[in-house]
Parts: sequence; C-alpha cells; structure tokens
Amino acid sequence: DGGITQSPKYLFRKEGQNVTLSCEQNLNHDAMYWYRQDPGQGLRLIYYSQIVNDFQKGDIAEGYSVSREKKESFPLTVTSAQKNPTAFYLCASSPQGAGYTFGSGTRLTVV
Amino acid sequence: DQQVKQNSPSLSVQEGRISILNCDYTNSMFDYFLWYKKYPAEGPTFLISISSIKDKNEDGRFTVFLNKSAKHLSLHIVPSQPGDSAVYFCAARSGGYQKVTFGTGTKLQVIP
Repeated sequence: DGGITQSPKYLFRKEGQNVTLSCEQNLNHDAMYWYRQDPGQGLRLIYYSQIVNDFQKGDIAEGYSVSREKKESFPLTVTSAQKNPTAFYLCASSPQGAGYTFGSGTRLTVV
Repeated sequence: DQQVKQNSPSLSVQEGRISILNCDYTNSMFDYFLWYKKYPAEGPTFLISISSIKDKNEDGRFTVFLNKSAKHLSLHIVPSQPGDSAVYFCAARSGGYQKVTFGTGTKLQVIP
C-alpha cells in the first residue's frame, strides 16, 4: 500500500533541544511539504521541496530546517530557535500538477 | 496576508439537510482550488477540486461552486451525514506551481 508515513505520532521536547520529525513516502511523488497546524490558524507552510537536493522556505521557516537527500524522505528539524514549537505538524507529498496526500501528523509538545 | 479565507470557523447542520461551506480568495493568479476534510489528530484527506475554467464540479454528495468574478467558492454537502462532522479546509494553487495555500478551516458539526 502506497502512502506517506510520519513518525513519531507524539513527541515531547525539552526547551533548548533540537528535534527531528520523520516523513517518508512510497508514492514516487516529486514534491514534499511540511505544514504546521495551530488552533484558528489553519495550515501554514514551513518548507517545501519540488525535487531531490532542493528545497524552499515557506511562510514560517524561521527556526526550522529540512533536507531532501532522497526522493522518499523529507525530515524536518525543529531547532531551539523556534520560539513556539508546540503544534501539530503535517507532512504531504504530491506528483506534478496534482493535489496533496498528507501523512497522519506528529504532535510536538515542548515540556 | 491571508490569501485564502474561511470566515466561518464553525457550522452546525441537521442531518439530512444541506451544508454550505464558504471560501474567499484574494490572489487572482489562483487557478486550481481544492477542499480537504480533516478529523482530529489525523492528516487532511482530499475531498474535491475544481479548475478555474469550470464553475461547478460534482462528486456524489459533494459539489463545489466557483465564482471567479467574486473570488468565491463554496462546498455543498447534500444530504449531510453525521460522519461528515470534521474540519474542512479550502485550498488554492496557481499555475503548475505545486505550493498550495490553505484557509483557516471550518468545523462542521452534523447533528443526528
């Protein structure tokens, strides 16, 4: 079954620590995306990648970093520079010119 | 700058009646529009889409209407069912550009 997998489902981080969220897809999609969901703010784009070894900042990239070394994988690192990291993070992928397939999300909580 | 707006954060509808979810956009370069449905603690799932060359697209109980002059689209669900209770996101894209801009969502509650 093709799909997009995010892990872990729940993640707790201490203040000042970096943490990496995993996103893997076996759909052979070229493009991948990271969104953040906060109550009342919808989905906001953090980073996106349209091709391997290339990625672009979205609307709220500060405090985050990504890599795209393989077509299947697009990990997101939440750094200590991100002031409000507690949120629900969604990864998505898409082929050219089509809609997104989303993962099931990771809930990150800073403790 | 919110380019895609869903001005109603919530909507309650009786089972069997019509649900109408509205969405406005400001970017005239958008030419493809999508609706996603999201349950709590899950990723959104694609529901229905419409190209800017059309004014209506229908898929079963779901119909999306596009009014380009008003920069407005709406999603109609008829008849509404309790399983339709979820958050609905309107989204838009320009050209072949992959990046999609989402609205803030409308929480639909269908009352049995």
